[in-house]
Amino acid sequence: GESVGLHLPTLSVQEGDNSIINCAYSNSASDYFIWYKQESGKGPQFIIDIRSNMDKRQGQRVTVLLNKTVKHLSLQIAATQPGDSAVYFCAESTVNQAGTALIFGKGTTLSVSS
Amino acid sequence: DAGVIQSPRHEVTEMGQEVTLRCKPISGHNSLFWYRQTMMRGLELLIYFNNNVPIDDSGMPEDRFSAKMPNASFSTLKIQPSEPRDSAVYFCASTAGEKLFFGSGTQLSVL
Repeated sequence: GESVGLHLPTLSVQEGDNSIINCAYSNSASDYFIWYKQESGKGPQFIIDIRSNMDKRQGQRVTVLLNKTVKHLSLQIAATQPGDSAVYFCAESTVNQAGTALIFGKGTTLSVSS
Repeated sequence: DAGVIQSPRHEVTEMGQEVTLRCKPISGHNSLFWYRQTMMRGLELLIYFNNNVPIDDSGMPEDRFSAKMPNASFSTLKIQPSEPRDSAVYFCASTAGEKLFFGSGTQLSVL
């Protein structure tokens, strides 16, 4: 079946560095992608999303890049802070007649040291 | 808005017992999702509803699992009988579009 995966399970960075978290997806029909952040003991929280007709979208300190040619998604966090330490999930969805459902990857744990 | 509300926050039960997890979606959201999270499998979609109607339950692991949405403001996920391998965090999420809003989850431990 189709699946969403991540290249690395853990990423350790220094405070102030830029972080890049990668994600590979396999469903070429997916047209919407989204990144979530999950802190310990909490539910996933929305960070940023992007549609397949775009290749880049920026938010506050975060940027999502989409490369449909190689089915690759990345999340860039600028000036990483200790509060960014969490597990980050990418997810994909495909719009169909029944509706849409987000399928999540396994997650990357980001650890920020000060 | 209070967000998606799940109860209980924690549930500890013995194998064979019935477990009922509850969810109140955000008012105005017409889609509701149940996910299960474990270290081994990550976030797995169990079932989702559109306008209170189950759309896709292919992720429900076995007949022991059932979900209902009797109205737009309430859903339940029931496990009967529960087994130790059902131990996980169960999340409910709702949306009016594509971006899901998650509850805080129910941590289920089946002994």
